[in-house]
Order: sequence, then C-alpha cells, then structure tokens
Amino acid sequence: DAKTTQPTSMDCAEGRAANLPCNHSTISGNEYVYWYRQIHSQGPQYIIHGLKNNETNEMASLIITEDRKSSTLILPHATLRDTAVYYCIVRDTNAGKSTFGDGTTLTVKP
Amino acid sequence: KAGVTQTPRYLIKTRGQQVTLSCSPISGHRSVSWYQQTPGQGLQFLFEYFSETQRNKGNFPGRFSGRQFSNSRSEMNVSTLELGDSALYLCASSYYTNSYEQYFGPGTRLTVT
Repeated sequence: DAKTTQPTSMDCAEGRAANLPCNHSTISGNEYVYWYRQIHSQGPQYIIHGLKNNETNEMASLIITEDRKSSTLILPHATLRDTAVYYCIVRDTNAGKSTFGDGTTLTVKP
Repeated sequence: KAGVTQTPRYLIKTRGQQVTLSCSPISGHRSVSWYQQTPGQGLQFLFEYFSETQRNKGNFPGRFSGRQFSNSRSEMNVSTLELGDSALYLCASSYYTNSYEQYFGPGTRLTVT
C-alpha cells in the first residue's frame, strides 16, 4: 500500500484557511486518499476522501494533484475546535485495513 | 442516527486477567474494525469483522481476539493481560468491508496494573 508523508506539526491563525499537505508519491491508480482527524481523547473522525477529482463537503475540501502524488486538505475558516491530529491515508478498498500514520498536529491559534 | 457506542468507557484490570470490550456499530453498518492506540505506537489496526467473519487482521498476538454477532455488534477479548496492553481501544464501523469511510466510537480506556 502507498506510504504517506505529512509534516509533524503546523500552526494556523483562527479564521484563516488551514492547508494540510500530504505526499503519496507511490499511490496506485485504484487507491483513494482519505483524511481523518482526532481531537484529544476522542475517536478519529472521518473528514473526506477522493480518488482523483477535488472534493468538498461541509467540513473541508480535498485537492488532489493531477498526477495524484500529493493532496491538500483545506479547512476554509479554521476555528480553535479544529485543533487536532490530522491523518492522511491512502488505500485500495481491496487491500484490507492497516495502521494509521503519525499524522499532522494542527494547532489553531487565536 | 446514533453513532458508534463502546462499553465500558474506562476499565482497570490486573496483569494476567482477561477483558472483553463491546462495540455497537451505527445502524445498518455491517463492518466493525478494532484499533489500539498508544502514545508510542499510534493507531494500530487489530482486526475487522464483516457479516460475522474476520476479514482482516493486524499484527497482534493471539491473546487478542474478537467476534461479531448477527446484529453486527462486536466484542474483542484480550487474555492474559500485560502492562503493555494499556491503551485506548477504538472501534469503527462502516457499511462495507475494507472501507476507510469509517466512523469511530469514543473508545475504551484500558489500564493494566
């Protein structure tokens, strides 16, 4: 399965857009990109996923590059409650489950 | 629609004992996955059940086992507890097996003394 690389930590000012990058240069054609976040002491929360087109929902937008080797999760107006660890996962639905990576700790500051 | 529920939320056990954790998935979801989360190892996949059958398994010893019932509720069991089993155990449900569009419960915090 494709390995992902994310920055260890990022800061963002409250009210500004938070752009979280993820590199997945070994992604294969049938692997989806999924994003989760985990707020301290809670279970992870599914955010969004995509294959090759950009996706948007009520929580975030997902931008996948044309070559699919990287993606960016965008939180358009970050709030203090968005402070969390964000995980990027790349998986084929036929490949079975695996461990989450280390993720990016996003800190939204007032 | 109610979310994933896990019981108990907190548990303290002694080394050598066994423990059973329970997970009720979102209504209509037939897949239940279990994860162990520790500060040092992160979020590690234990196993997944779909339609009462184990479909995927992570790299954990045989002391960790699970099962799923016909109503999709799942239990996981850890026998002969070790201090290193202290962790947050998370359950996630989804409609299909192998799906990463999963919805997690709040977890069970297990402390082994």
